Amino acid sequence: NAGVTQTPKFRVLKTGQSMTLLCAQDMNHEYMYWYRQDPGMGLRLIHYSVGEGTTAKGEVPDGYNVSRLKKQNFLLGLESAAPSQTSVYFCASSYSSFERGGAKNIQYFGAGTRLSVL
Amino acid sequence: LAKTTQPISMDSYEGQEVNITCSHNNIATNDYITWYQQFPSQGPRFIIQGYKTKVTNEVASLFIPADRKSSTLSLPRVSLSDTAVYYCLVGDPYSGAGSYQLTFGKGTKLSVIP
Repeated sequence: NAGVTQTPKFRVLKTGQSMTLLCAQDMNHEYMYWYRQDPGMGLRLIHYSVGEGTTAKGEVPDGYNVSRLKKQNFLLGLESAAPSQTSVYFCASSYSSFERGGAKNIQYFGAGTRLSVL
Repeated sequence: LAKTTQPISMDSYEGQEVNITCSHNNIATNDYITWYQQFPSQGPRFIIQGYKTKVTNEVASLFIPADRKSSTLSLPRVSLSDTAVYYCLVGDPYSGAGSYQLTFGKGTKLSVIP
């Protein structure tokens, strides 16, 4: 059971290049997320998905696109990389269970992808 | 969306008990409280989750008073390996409008001193 796997682990891009980050989970979770984390900052949500074939914008979606063609995979794309997108990217997946009328949501994270855009 | 407030940083000596308090004055009736731990160069890891009173697992305890306007993560006898950032999250991830409602914030950086 690998949990959440992110590829690649490291990448260096030149400004204007494109790339796709892959996230795969083997826990049969419905929900998946992409975050970015900059030095000294918390995690900021880029995009998320509540199920196969669905995606939604998070807090900082500009410059990124996502796709969830299969339940286990969530792809993050950068069409034209910019230096401001230099960051560590984390993928997460979660299940939600409903008790007391509220949602118990626990997220499981990948190891991260360190991206530098020169 | 329940806003949370945590101390930015805390220091503790090895072997001491550490308590990190999170304020969430506008917590909704059905909101759960969840804590995550993040080591340098790693993704956050779930520690504990609770709704009211006290929850304990093999890693930590979570104390939630009756009014639920705050919560305290308690780490017993910390070691150097507990040096990490701790995040408190409160709320329902998906509101009635379908938008995501949980945010991590900057967390509390705990430094354990030998």
